[in-house]
Amino acid sequence: NAGVTQTPKFRVLKTGQSMTLLCAQDMNHEYMYWYRQDPGMGLRLIHYSVGEGTTAKGEVPDGYNVSRLKKQNFLLGLESAAPSQTSVYFCASKRGNTEAFFGQGTRLTVV
Amino acid sequence: KQEVTQIPAALSVPEGENLVLNCSFTDSAIYNLQWFRQDPGKGLTSLLLIQSSQREQTSGRLNASLDKSSGRSTLYIAASQPGDSATYLCAVLYRDDKIIFGKGTRLHILP
Repeated sequence: NAGVTQTPKFRVLKTGQSMTLLCAQDMNHEYMYWYRQDPGMGLRLIHYSVGEGTTAKGEVPDGYNVSRLKKQNFLLGLESAAPSQTSVYFCASKRGNTEAFFGQGTRLTVV
Repeated sequence: KQEVTQIPAALSVPEGENLVLNCSFTDSAIYNLQWFRQDPGKGLTSLLLIQSSQREQTSGRLNASLDKSSGRSTLYIAASQPGDSATYLCAVLYRDDKIIFGKGTRLHILP
């Protein structure tokens, strides 16, 4: 039982490059979330999804796009990476009003 | 605006002491509140989930309380140990399905 899996775990991008982060869960959860964590800032919500085919903006959505074409996957895209997007990205999923489960994170550096 | 605040930002206590971490939140329209632990460079470990209809939840040496009307939760750690040293995060699940985090309390237990 893998839980929540994030791919890749580490990535270095050049400014202006694009990339997609994948979050996959095998628990049949309806809700999925993307966060970024910067030193001293806690986790800030980027986008979230309440079900397949739906997405919504969080606290810091600018510069990111998301898609939820399949229930088990939530993709986070950076169309033109900027150094300000250097961060650790976490994905989470949950069912209803139960506890949220988190992936192990993706460390992204934009140079 | 939905905001979650954790006080203090950092705390150092001698081993064996009981301690209390605080979390306050704006907007009482919540489903639940979840406490996490995060070790340096690692992911999030769920400690306790407390539903909006509950007043307390206990797990081992940990006890979480919730007062929804005043927008406050506390995490009580009994008989602290050096292994309890970590950052503790409070996360609120609001009725609009957003999960909002506080910035965390960095706890250091002195041997």
